Amino acid sequence: AQKITQTQPGMFVQEKEAVTLDCTYDTSDQSYGLFWYKQPSSGEMIFLIYQGSYDEQNATEGRYSLNFQKARKSANLVISASQLGDSAMYFCAMREGGYTGNQFYFGTGTSLTVIP
Amino acid sequence: KAGVTQTPRYLIKTRGQQVTLSCSPISGHRSVSWYQQTPGQGLQFLFEYFSETQRNKGNFPGRFSGRQFSNSRSEMNVSTLELGDSALYLCASSPRGAIPDTQYFGPGTRLTVL
Repeated sequence: AQKITQTQPGMFVQEKEAVTLDCTYDTSDQSYGLFWYKQPSSGEMIFLIYQGSYDEQNATEGRYSLNFQKARKSANLVISASQLGDSAMYFCAMREGGYTGNQFYFGTGTSLTVIP
Repeated sequence: KAGVTQTPRYLIKTRGQQVTLSCSPISGHRSVSWYQQTPGQGLQFLFEYFSETQRNKGNFPGRFSGRQFSNSRSEMNVSTLELGDSALYLCASSPRGAIPDTQYFGPGTRLTVL
């Protein structure tokens, strides 16, 4: 089974509108971390936001928030007030707990296009 | 703090050659991971190094190897290059390689195999 599933290959959003990018994950660990990254056309992966499995509140970082629904194993990224510079690929990722070098698992990404 | 740096940024090689890519992590970070990104396969994990030891390895052939030095800098080597090795190779570092550490990525090395 896929560890991270992103079901939206492409999304369009009007400038200044909010958009939600979906992410579901699969793990049997109680301790894990969820991450979102942005990859513009330049190629560099930019860290956006982190949510720990034990965090009771949804993470927020500026215009980014993570809608964490543990029972449903979903970790959707919400971008408020979209800007043209938000056009990029967005990747959801997970790292399971422990200190054994558990790898990051990445989803296939969602391409977001912000329309003026 | 300086970010993760990767050299070279672009590389063109021919089939059968070998290549070495370099990654300097953020100062104080001891974990370095390597990924291959292609349009068809997405982002695939190659391996992770921590304190000069390979701690985890993805599903890649033995032509792909790496190492980490005592200053945490890491190199990745691909021998006997194939056309399918053309990809963006990303390096990422984190303090310990465990949650809640975030992985920070370098700009990548774009390898083209002709």
